[in-house]
Amino acid sequence: EAQVTQNPRYLITVTGKKLTVTCSQNMNHEYMSWYRQDPGLGLRQIYYSMNVEVTDKGDVPEGYKVSRKEKRNFPLILESPSPNQTSLYFCASSLSWRRAGTDTQYFGPGTRLTVL
Amino acid sequence: GQQVMQIPQYQHVQEGEDFTTYCNSSTTLSNIQWYKQRPGGHPVFLIQLVKSGEVKKQKRLTFQFGEAKKNSSLHITATQTTDVGTYFCAGLQVADSWGKFQFGAGTQVVVTP
Repeated sequence: EAQVTQNPRYLITVTGKKLTVTCSQNMNHEYMSWYRQDPGLGLRQIYYSMNVEVTDKGDVPEGYKVSRKEKRNFPLILESPSPNQTSLYFCASSLSWRRAGTDTQYFGPGTRLTVL
Repeated sequence: GQQVMQIPQYQHVQEGEDFTTYCNSSTTLSNIQWYKQRPGGHPVFLIQLVKSGEVKKQKRLTFQFGEAKKNSSLHITATQTTDVGTYFCAGLQVADSWGKFQFGAGTQVVVTP
């Protein structure tokens, strides 16, 4: 089954304790993104990756890191989480962004993160 | 930078009525996509519009892309309780070596039976 998976689905942590949220897709997609969703703000892109070893900042990258060492995985790293990073996080992937029709994004189930 | 504004933020609809949600970008878009997110769920792709002035229909949903490729609308006729959720537009802006998505804040739809 084609899907995007994220782990963990729920996480409560404390300020400053490094954490990683994993994202994996099994569709051989080139393009992967991380978004955070906050009430009234919609989905804001944190980082995106156009292919292996190619990443770039989205609209809200501060406090986050990513890596894309393999095509299927795109982990989100919070080196020193702070309470303002409490949010609902979604990973998404698409076949490409270069050609219309291949850029439909498939979203993972979401990770609800609380930083105390 | 690119800004995608979506209105209204909330929409209460009586079952059977029609409503429209609007999406406006400050810059010209490569294409626009619409997603639906049910309560507690994740965004699910509905449709993509690419051409200037394009209109597409999916049963009771009509999607439109403006002539200048800066605005879009989603019109739902005869609303049903299954239409409950938040509808997002997402604009894709591309250059030679990058492509960025920007989502509107969403329209949260509540349907009263």
